[in-house]
Amino acid sequence: QVQLEESGGGVVQPGRSLRLSCAASGFTFSSYGMHWVRQAPGKGLEWVAVIWYDGSNQYYADSVKGRFTISRDNSKNTVYVQMNSLRAEDTAVYYCARDTEMYYVSGTLDYWGQGTLVTVSS
Amino acid sequence: QSALTQPPSASGSPGQSVTISCTGTSSDVGTYKYVSWYQHHPGKAPKLMIYEVSQRPSGVPDRFSGSKSGNTASLTVSGLQAEDEAEYYCSSYAGSNSMIFGGGTKLTVL
Repeated sequence: QVQLEESGGGVVQPGRSLRLSCAASGFTFSSYGMHWVRQAPGKGLEWVAVIWYDGSNQYYADSVKGRFTISRDNSKNTVYVQMNSLRAEDTAVYYCARDTEMYYVSGTLDYWGQGTLVTVSS
Repeated sequence: QSALTQPPSASGSPGQSVTISCTGTSSDVGTYKYVSWYQHHPGKAPKLMIYEVSQRPSGVPDRFSGSKSGNTASLTVSGLQAEDEAEYYCSSYAGSNSMIFGGGTKLTVL
């Protein structure tokens, strides 16, 4: 069955960096776009970024553009998000999720991981 | 881009029906068929309940249904059950490989 497992969360000081990973299994990873979505404490879901199935294109929410970089390694079935210049408002549970469509982005997310908590605090 | 607009809360008694609205714009909900609904229990992964406005993934009870009119999408839960109590989020494709979520609606089963 499809499984997504995030890792790499923790406490980090403002201005520092952190890289999250999401290991995928149970499907042909290299055929699907992958997203990161976050949920700040007491807030709703916020789309963060998406990477195409082959890694050729990446798109970001305005709130993270220029600071976050999404990437993937299809040989390891893993998607990453490199988060730089972190701010207090980046504190959230970060989820990775699979786009339901093969080879293009629909914005429909059919499988999600359990999430990993990132806390930005001095 | 602002979040899609959902009511913060909704409620109903067991067996009743409840409808949650999701209002966007002509740049998202009004244009694209990729409108989805997610159920989110605290501490768990969000679950896809409706996709492409009105389609149900395998395993989702037919008590859940979706529709859209203009810039507003709706999720209806019929025959409410205790386990339906959760936060519900709508989302829409918003063009240029981006997507947008609603602010979430807390559904309470009385």
